[in-house]
Amino acid sequence: DIQMTQSPSSLSASVGDRVTITCRASQTVSNLLNWYQQRPGKAPKVLIYAASSLQSGVPSRFSGSGSGTDFTLTISSLQPEDFATYYCQQSYSIPWTFGQGTKLDIK
Amino acid sequence: EVQLVESGGGLVKPGGSLRLSCAASRFPFSNAWMSWVRQAPGKGLEWVGRIKSKADGGAIDYATPVKGRFTISRDDSKNTLYLQMNSLSTEDTAVYYCTAEGVVGTSVFFHYWGQGALVIVSS
Repeated sequence: DIQMTQSPSSLSASVGDRVTITCRASQTVSNLLNWYQQRPGKAPKVLIYAASSLQSGVPSRFSGSGSGTDFTLTISSLQPEDFATYYCQQSYSIPWTFGQGTKLDIK
Repeated sequence: EVQLVESGGGLVKPGGSLRLSCAASRFPFSNAWMSWVRQAPGKGLEWVGRIKSKADGGAIDYATPVKGRFTISRDDSKNTLYLQMNSLSTEDTAVYYCTAEGVVGTSVFFHYWGQGALVIVSS
């Protein structure tokens, strides 16, 4: 199975800050890496697919980059609604696997 | 708007069984590849398994922790996905989400999600 490791596990930031979350795969996943946002008590929502493609309806302050084993999710200017938990997920090979999550909270 | 509505969750004793259903609407369910994803209380997301559309062969894959105990099936005439869970243990306690996979080129992602069904395994 491909192991996905996110860093940091938690992060405190302020509205307006630029934030970067990283995700590392234990072996190459090419560009088959997705990012999800999960607010408390809600189902996850896809933000980015194929490493850098913005899902329809997702604000442009979210961006993704990377390929192979190293990926980043960047939020260019944090908004109040962005405080949530973020997960990366590989779709290179079954079993699909997720990172452990990064909880982003208000400083 | 796409809807996925899970039902069938509840409290079950260790060793017991439970079947979850996921009623889909407002999208072509029979063409969709469907997955179950679970989340233990306070923990991260874990993929449980997936069933392809019949047109794409209907193959079913499972995560190792549930293989041999859980069975995914679909009834396209009812636009419904199922998860039959047997030999449940306390480690299966989680919210179970039904998801419809999105496919863009070679990229696959969990596009649509249900609201989740809580399964508690406890004596």
